[in-house]
Amino acid sequence: DIQMTQSPSSMSASLGDTVTINCLASQDIGNYLSWYQQKPGKSPKLMIYGATNLEDGVPSRFSGSRSGSDYSLTINSLGYDDEGIYHCHQYYEYPLTFGSGTKLEIK
Amino acid sequence: EVQLVESGGGLVQPGRSLKLSCAASGFTFSNYYMAWVRQAPKKGLEWVATISTSGSRTYYPDSVKGRFTISRDNAKSSLYLQMNSLKSEDTATYYCARGGQRFAYWGQGTLVTVSS
Repeated sequence: DIQMTQSPSSMSASLGDTVTINCLASQDIGNYLSWYQQKPGKSPKLMIYGATNLEDGVPSRFSGSRSGSDYSLTINSLGYDDEGIYHCHQYYEYPLTFGSGTKLEIK
Repeated sequence: EVQLVESGGGLVQPGRSLKLSCAASGFTFSNYYMAWVRQAPKKGLEWVATISTSGSRTYYPDSVKGRFTISRDNAKSSLYLQMNSLKSEDTATYYCARGGQRFAYWGQGTLVTVSS
């Protein structure tokens, strides 16, 4: 199975900051990588797919990138609404797997 | 507007069965792969099952293979998850999601608690 190692597990940042969340795939997954945002008590929301493509309606402050097997989600100009848990997800092959999540707190 | 509404969760004893349902609306259900994803309390997301548009192909992780069965009724725009031989580690919120790869739409989830 493909392991997705996500880091950090939690982080705290200030309004207006830029943050980066990372996921390392245990084997090649091409660009078959999505990022989801989840707020407390809510279902996940798709933010990025295909490693770099912004889902419709997602602010352009969010971006995804890839360097080899390392995938990153970057959020610019942090706002209070960005607080939540972010999950990466590989859909290159079954079984589909997720990272362990990154809890982002806005100070 | 795309809507996915899960139902059927609840408290069940270990070893018993439960069937979840997901009612879909706002899109042509038969055109999309569908999936179930679960989240144990305070834990990450875990993919549980995927079904093809016609229902002819299904996919499961080893953790539920042989115990869970995903199915669909395109005429009713409904997705199902039959869960047998339930274990305490199956305790989670179960979400239905549209898609076979990226999940652009999710339901609100239904909580399944496996406990004696």
